[in-house]
Amino acid sequence: DIVMTQSPDSLAVSLGERATINCKSSQSVLYRSNNKNHLAWFQQKPGQPPKLLIYWASTRESGVPDRFSGSGSGTDFTLTISSLQAEDVAVYYCHQYSGIPDTFGQGTKLEIK
Amino acid sequence: QLQLQETGPGLAEPSETLSLTCSVSGGSISIDYFWAWIRQPPGKGLEWIGSVHYRGSTSYNPSLKNRVTISVATSKNQFSLRLSSVTAADTAVYYCVRQPPRHTGGRGIDYWGQGTLVTVSS
Repeated sequence: DIVMTQSPDSLAVSLGERATINCKSSQSVLYRSNNKNHLAWFQQKPGQPPKLLIYWASTRESGVPDRFSGSGSGTDFTLTISSLQAEDVAVYYCHQYSGIPDTFGQGTKLEIK
Repeated sequence: QLQLQETGPGLAEPSETLSLTCSVSGGSISIDYFWAWIRQPPGKGLEWIGSVHYRGSTSYNPSLKNRVTISVATSKNQFSLRLSSVTAADTAVYYCVRQPPRHTGGRGIDYWGQGTLVTVSS
């Protein structure tokens, strides 16, 4: 299995400041046949299913505010929220869909400082 | 708009078999996508259980492989999960989801059901 490790486990950021979450995979998630990183980021709020924010490591899902961005390739990835809003309080997960089984990071809890 | 809805008992007895069904509406299940189950124990992270294609091919998480069966009923536009010999560790919210074929990847997971909590307890 590809192990996904997120850091930090929790993060407190002031409103309007930048939040950065990292995700490292135990092996590359670059899918050779399409040369794309099969890495997504989800946001989950209590009592709700996860919401897709970013796929292919850096493609923003339709309707997701542009303060959310993804970067990285191979084994190291980052989710950045450029200016934290109150509604961004949630748990964030990275997800690799390159290898079977799909695997997820352990989650990063984002709070307001 | 595609919608997925999980149904099934909210309580399962230890050592018994947990059974859930996902009903797909707003689109056909008989397309080149994979239909999968993901679970999340209370307060914990996400675990991919396995997937099925409408043509019947399946993939399972090795950690659960000996206990899991995922099947598809195209005439009903449904797919199902059976998990045998359950214990308290199988208590979780179970989500049904849609996944693009791996060779395209796409969004990875593009539709989710709302999830259903299954508690394993006597």
